[in-house]
Amino acid sequence: EVQLVESGGGLVQPGGSLRLSCAASGFTFSNYGMSWVRQAPGKGLEWVASISTSGYNTYHSGSVKGQFTISRDNSKNTLHLQMDSLSAEDTALYHCAKDLSSGGWYSPFDHWGQGALVIVSS
Amino acid sequence: DILMTQSPSSLSASVGDRVAITCRASQGISNYLAWYQQKPGKVPQLLIYAASTLQSGVPSRFSGSGSGTDFTLTISSLQPEDVATYYCQEYYRGTWTFGQGTKVELK
Repeated sequence: EVQLVESGGGLVQPGGSLRLSCAASGFTFSNYGMSWVRQAPGKGLEWVASISTSGYNTYHSGSVKGQFTISRDNSKNTLHLQMDSLSAEDTALYHCAKDLSSGGWYSPFDHWGQGALVIVSS
Repeated sequence: DILMTQSPSSLSASVGDRVAITCRASQGISNYLAWYQQKPGKVPQLLIYAASTLQSGVPSRFSGSGSGTDFTLTISSLQPEDVATYYCQEYYRGTWTFGQGTKVELK
């Protein structure tokens, strides 16, 4: 059974940093692209970043480019999101998500974690 | 980034009704289009990918169509368990943008 478990969320002051992690199990992690998607309270889904199987190719949305960095450690089956210069607009539930298709082509997401809540407030 | 626009933003329909939600991309995305269902307090579930391919385990009353810039999600006979918010998503060439969502309620 595929499991994705996020950690690292919490309360952070504006301007601060946070690093989210997603522990994956139940599938061959290194064979699938992975992504982060966030959802602000009462709002819709917003794609944040994606990463290829090897980690060589990364993609970030325009709203977080230069501020957030996605990475992965295939030896530990773990996905990360480094978030810097946080502002109130970054307050959201952050989900990690697994690609439907293995290999190197663009794919939608077939499994989602329950999310890590990030609150940016003074 | 590609902009995805869904309509309507919300709708109310009766059990058994045929429901259609449209999604328009700001540029051509071939068939790199997925639909998700999100029930309150739950994570999104993939319904359809490649514009018209039903994900395993999804009821056959759900169907998708379209290519290029215009897409449609159809529920052939609305059921009470279909009350949810539906999102389209493009996954074309290194972006994965979602539409703003369509909330489906029972009349």
